[in-house]
Amino acid sequence: NAGVTQTPKFQVLKTGQSMTLQCAQDMNHEYMSWYRQDPGMGLRLIHYSVGAGITDQGEVPNGYNVSRSTTEDFPLRLLSAAPSQTSVYFCASSRGVPSYNEQFFGPGTRLTVL
Amino acid sequence: AQTVTQSQPEMSVQEAETVTLSCTYDTSESDYYLFWYKQPPSRQMILVIRQEAYKQQNATENRFSVNFQKAAKSFSLKISDSQLGDAAMYFCAYRRWRQGGSEKLVFGKGTKLTVNP
Repeated sequence: NAGVTQTPKFQVLKTGQSMTLQCAQDMNHEYMSWYRQDPGMGLRLIHYSVGAGITDQGEVPNGYNVSRSTTEDFPLRLLSAAPSQTSVYFCASSRGVPSYNEQFFGPGTRLTVL
Repeated sequence: AQTVTQSQPEMSVQEAETVTLSCTYDTSESDYYLFWYKQPPSRQMILVIRQEAYKQQNATENRFSVNFQKAAKSFSLKISDSQLGDAAMYFCAYRRWRQGGSEKLVFGKGTKLTVNP
């Protein structure tokens, strides 16, 4: 199993550009989520999905879109990049039931918006 | 909304000694789960230990154990016989129980642990 994979590992964007961060898992996990990690802020939830076709907003959803057309993939789209979106982005997945299941994290994407 | 607070931004410990990292949380729920994750410089998030709120017995995993005080909403992590490889950011996290599936995970801001040789 590859676990949770994220691409790209690093990305530099200019303000206003759009892009998609890719996330895939091969563990047949129902639950997937996206976090951003900023210095001194910990991990903050952007969006999450409890299954294919179902997504919901987290703590900091503005400026991001997600969709979940398959169990395996959960891409995160930046519509119009802003410097405030400079961060490290983590994708995670877990079995849906029970709730104490471990979340498995991808290696992260470091995004810089100039 | 649930919140998780880690009051110690940084901690240090001598190799082979014991250190305790603090975590408190705020919730009105009675069924939930608590986790400690470790993030070494590689940036990879690694589950250290987890606790189910309905269990009174504190969880242990080798050198890692927790002190879970449900009434006080406290969930501290004790690392015994600290090793250089324990140096990392440690995050406390909360997950509410939800019928039929998982809920979102709420993280604290983290504690940076330094292990001195």
